[in-house]
Amino acid sequence: DGGITQSPKYLFRKEGQNVTLSCEQNLNHDAMYWYRQDPGQGLRLIYYSQIVNDFQKGDIAEGYSVSREKKESFPLTVTSAQKNPTAFYLCASSARVNSNQPQHFGDGTRLSIL
Amino acid sequence: LAKTTQPISMDSYEGQEVNITCSHNNIATNDYITWYQQFPSQGPRFIIQGYKTKVTNEVASLFIPADRKSSTLSLPRVSLSDTAVYYCLVAPPISSGSARQLTFGSGTQLTVLP
Repeated sequence: DGGITQSPKYLFRKEGQNVTLSCEQNLNHDAMYWYRQDPGQGLRLIYYSQIVNDFQKGDIAEGYSVSREKKESFPLTVTSAQKNPTAFYLCASSARVNSNQPQHFGDGTRLSIL
Repeated sequence: LAKTTQPISMDSYEGQEVNITCSHNNIATNDYITWYQQFPSQGPRFIIQGYKTKVTNEVASLFIPADRKSSTLSLPRVSLSDTAVYYCLVAPPISSGSARQLTFGSGTQLTVLP
């Protein structure tokens, strides 16, 4: 069954700690994305990647970092520089970069501060 | 950047047809219109996508007038399980370098009543 797997489902961060959210896809998609969703709000783009070893900042990239070493994987690190990290984080992928293919989403990771 | 405006919430009864309209007055020539559905604590799910006129699939129809300044998602005979948030996304293909525009608005909370 193809899809996007995000882990863990829930994550707690201590002050000053970096945490990494995992996102894996087996859809053979080129493009991958990370979004942040706050309660009652829409999704805001953090980072996106069109191809392996390439990624671009979205609208709210400050305090976050990503890597794209494999086509299947696009982990997101929430650094200690992100002062308000409590949110629902969603990973998505789409088939090709040169098209308007719809995005497929994982079921998210909910990050909270201890 | 094509800003979208949707009603914050709508109520309907089971078995009725529901129409949700999205306004996007400054839509660009290469923008596509995509609708997603999101249940609580889950990632959005693709419903339908179009560029102009009418598109229909097994779950919904999308009506886009000639000027493309708005679009209407039509859900036939809704059931209680259609209660969700519905997002309208207007964006160009990612290859245009405009993935920064992939920001979802606050969406429309549809509540289906028995």
